[in-house]
Amino acid sequence: GAGVSQSPSNKVTEKGKDVELRCDPISGHTALYWYRQSLGQGLEFLIYFQGNSAPDKSGLPSDRFSAERTGGSVSTLTIQRTQQEDSAVYLCASSPTTASPSGANVLTFGAGSRLTVL
Amino acid sequence: QKEVEQDPGPLSVPEGAIVSLNCTYSNSAFQYFMWYRQYSRKGPELLMYTYSSGNKEDGRFTAQVDKSSKYISLFIRDSQPSDSATYLCAMSAFRAGNMLTFGGGTRLMVKP
Repeated sequence: GAGVSQSPSNKVTEKGKDVELRCDPISGHTALYWYRQSLGQGLEFLIYFQGNSAPDKSGLPSDRFSAERTGGSVSTLTIQRTQQEDSAVYLCASSPTTASPSGANVLTFGAGSRLTVL
Repeated sequence: QKEVEQDPGPLSVPEGAIVSLNCTYSNSAFQYFMWYRQYSRKGPELLMYTYSSGNKEDGRFTAQVDKSSKYISLFIRDSQPSDSATYLCAMSAFRAGNMLTFGGGTRLMVKP
């Protein structure tokens, strides 16, 4: 697609429920990233994929969080047994590769999925 | 203490003013520096990118990096109401896009 597409744009759930957030990256982008942005906070790195593999899961806050990517394209971030502290905007980004000969890799972000846990 | 510090603002300026946005950092390994602009309810978009120390200019925007002081700046000349947004600095030690370290963002309001 023309940009990074995320769904749902807004999700309100009850504490203890599971949620799935979807990211559709730019076509042809091999690298995909998930970040979390809490109110008034900077972006917190969660996980990144190179193709379907996730070499770096260091940012996942707990084992309630998991992510997968299939076909080198769409990715799903799943949060199990949601807690109120999970409320945040979950941002997905993609890039052509994890490294560029000319310098740092440029990430294109989606508009985010705003999660509210009641 | 956070690796990257950024004043959250809000910073309110009149239209036409010169705006200075800044970040300090503690990791001397950082060598790639970026500024992202984020409008309300939108994802961040890359505004400026610099490598190592020095200045880079793009239209009304100038990015400066001072690695000796671990201090980066973004200047906006002739600020416009459309510049009203949150500005996030980001930096990395490597070319790879993962593990960018972001500042908390500065909210800028340019009043007509």
